[in-house]
Amino acid sequence: DAKTTQPTSMDCAEGRAANLPCNHSTISGNEYVYWYRQIHSQGPQYIIHGLKNNETNEMASLIITEDRKSSTLILPHATLRDTAVYYCIVAPFSGGYNKLIFGAGTRLAVHP
Amino acid sequence: EAQVTQNPRYLITVTGKKLTVTCSQNMNHEYMSWYRQDPGLGLRQIYYSMNVEVTDKGDVPEGYKVSRKEKRNFPLILESPSPNQTSLYFCASSLFGELFFGEGSRLTVL
Repeated sequence: DAKTTQPTSMDCAEGRAANLPCNHSTISGNEYVYWYRQIHSQGPQYIIHGLKNNETNEMASLIITEDRKSSTLILPHATLRDTAVYYCIVAPFSGGYNKLIFGAGTRLAVHP
Repeated sequence: EAQVTQNPRYLITVTGKKLTVTCSQNMNHEYMSWYRQDPGLGLRQIYYSMNVEVTDKGDVPEGYKVSRKEKRNFPLILESPSPNQTSLYFCASSLFGELFFGEGSRLTVL
């Protein structure tokens, strides 16, 4: 069963921020929020993950609500190359790995 | 360059002809995994391996075998391929939770 709910598709203008929401109302205390993306049929690419604090790296920012029931991935200045399917996944991390279950994701289209 | 390498990238074969898809990673990762991706079904895990000589079934292991004799290699074996194994396959490795995926192997079984 999917643990996350994401919009099927979104649009964003090039140069603007892309805000991708994710609902995970049944998240457990030991589960992290992970974001991956897949461009065309390439291998999925890790973007960012977090537990309860907001996180930022060179690719994106992750905002997790205080109750941890939802989160938002922010691409601050979207480019055409950010057009992809974005997956939000919740999973525990233990033993050096986690089992990530990929849902349908959000298809983000960045247009000129 | 850190990478996960899969071969072949594309393959068309016939029912029943054994084939192996190789996967190799150069990051010294202990964890490796195989996924298949089908339209409308997303990415599904086939097998995974926590370390050398340690493998376990994922969600869709039927019709597949794996082995992990060395840390860097994790081949996927289809002993008797069938058309329902036509799919896009991904190998991945991980050290601390971040999965690194290969570029994929598109397999067609006629």
